[in-house]
Amino acid sequence: GAVVSQHPSWVICKSGTSVKIECRSLDFQATTMFWYRQFPKQSLMLMATSNEGSKATYEQGVEKDKFLINHASLTLSTLTVTSAHPEDSSFYICSARGLSGGVTAETQYFGPGTRLLVL
Amino acid sequence: GQNIDQPTEMTATEGAIVQINCTYQTSGFNGLFWYQQHAGEAPTFLSYNVLDGLEEKGRFSSFLSRSKGYSYLLLKELQMKDSASYLCAVMDSNYQLIWGAGTKLIIKP
Repeated sequence: GAVVSQHPSWVICKSGTSVKIECRSLDFQATTMFWYRQFPKQSLMLMATSNEGSKATYEQGVEKDKFLINHASLTLSTLTVTSAHPEDSSFYICSARGLSGGVTAETQYFGPGTRLLVL
Repeated sequence: GQNIDQPTEMTATEGAIVQINCTYQTSGFNGLFWYQQHAGEAPTFLSYNVLDGLEEKGRFSSFLSRSKGYSYLLLKELQMKDSASYLCAVMDSNYQLIWGAGTKLIIKP
């Protein structure tokens, strides 16, 4: 149990375009999903927390209009990087926390991550 | 403020035992997590401690002392594939995860 998938696993796009990343909990219901960003050789940085059916809570310094998060169901959250620029190139990782499927309610289970390269 | 401390890097020998320590100061406590992260990959869940004591899972064990704000991850019979970063994270009173910077473990043959 506790499998989280992300799609796509990597994406290359031109500067100014938008990129959507999907995060799915495959075998449990994710009441809360988290989006992280990690630059090479740096720590995980929490970008935002989203609860199903409500607006995401963004961490300080993260532009909510640039990083659009939608958590429309208990198994799917999406992150859209709008008007991407080269400095947005990073490793984006989602995690999910749920209440069913035999998973520990407090534990965050991570997706495999999405590598974004903006040219 | 909230703070998680763990060593930046450790080196150990294949087949040996290594203990990675984590100390924390947080506003409230709702559990401590250990994650493993291989280079270029996402973290994977290793353990969750909310009560004092030792939790054993195969070659990996995790210990917690809430009164001391202290935990350790013990890895036995080290294998080359255990080379990774090990992340300590504490859930505070708001159920937010506070992350340590991670300990890079290097295993030598």
